[in-house]
Amino acid sequence: QQQVKQSPQSLIVQKGGISIINCAYENTAFDYFPWYQQFPGKGPALLIAIRPDVSEKKEGRFTISFNKSAKQFSLHIMDSQPGDSATYFCAASRNSGYALNFGKGTSLLVTP
Amino acid sequence: DTAVSQTPKYLVTQMGNDKSIKCEQNLGHDTMYWYKQDSKKFLKIMFSYNNKELIINETVPNRFSPKSPDKAHLNLHINSLELGDSAVYFCASSRFEGYGYTFGSGTRLTVV
Repeated sequence: QQQVKQSPQSLIVQKGGISIINCAYENTAFDYFPWYQQFPGKGPALLIAIRPDVSEKKEGRFTISFNKSAKQFSLHIMDSQPGDSATYFCAASRNSGYALNFGKGTSLLVTP
Repeated sequence: DTAVSQTPKYLVTQMGNDKSIKCEQNLGHDTMYWYKQDSKKFLKIMFSYNNKELIINETVPNRFSPKSPDKAHLNLHINSLELGDSAVYFCASSRFEGYGYTFGSGTRLTVV
C-alpha cells in the first residue's frame, strides 16, 4: 500500500527554471516530511525536511510548501541547474525515528 | 570520513547461495535500518534496530535476517538467494527522536 503518492514521475526543466514536485499522503499521524536527492550509484541524501507546524521552509534554492488540511506537500527548486539533475524522493514518517515511507520518485533533468 | 558505510558495494551471486552485507555508522546514532530499492527505484523499509533491538520488521521473507552486534553495526544476512532478491540494499541510521536520516551508498545485489 503506497502511503505517499508522488508526481510527476519525470520532469524536464530548462536551466534557470523552477522545478516543482508534488506529494500527497493519507496517514494523519505522519509528522515529519523530508525530501531526498539521489544521484546514480549513490544513496539518498537528505535535502530539506519540514514538520507540519509550519507551512513553508526554505533552504537556499530549495523550498518545501506544506498544506496540512489538504495533506499535500511540494518541493520547489528555484533557478534549477544541470547539477540538480537527479531523482527526488518525498517521504513521510511519524517522526524521524520511525520508518520513512517514500514516494516513487521523480527523475529531474535540467537542460542547459 | 564515511558516515554510513556498507560492504560490499557490488555482489553477484548464484541462486541458492547465502550472502551477507555489512553496515557500520560512525555518527553515534542509535537507530539503524535496512531499505530495499527495486528496479523501479522504489525504496521500502525492511528492518529497523534501536540500540540493538529490532523495532520494525516489515513483511520480508524469513530468508532475510538482520543482526546488530552493537548499535554502530547492522548486518543483513540472506539465505537461499532468489532471482527476485536482486536489488540495491541501503543501510541507514538516525537518531531515534530527531532528524537526520543518513543513508549509505548501497549494495547492488545481483542474483544469477
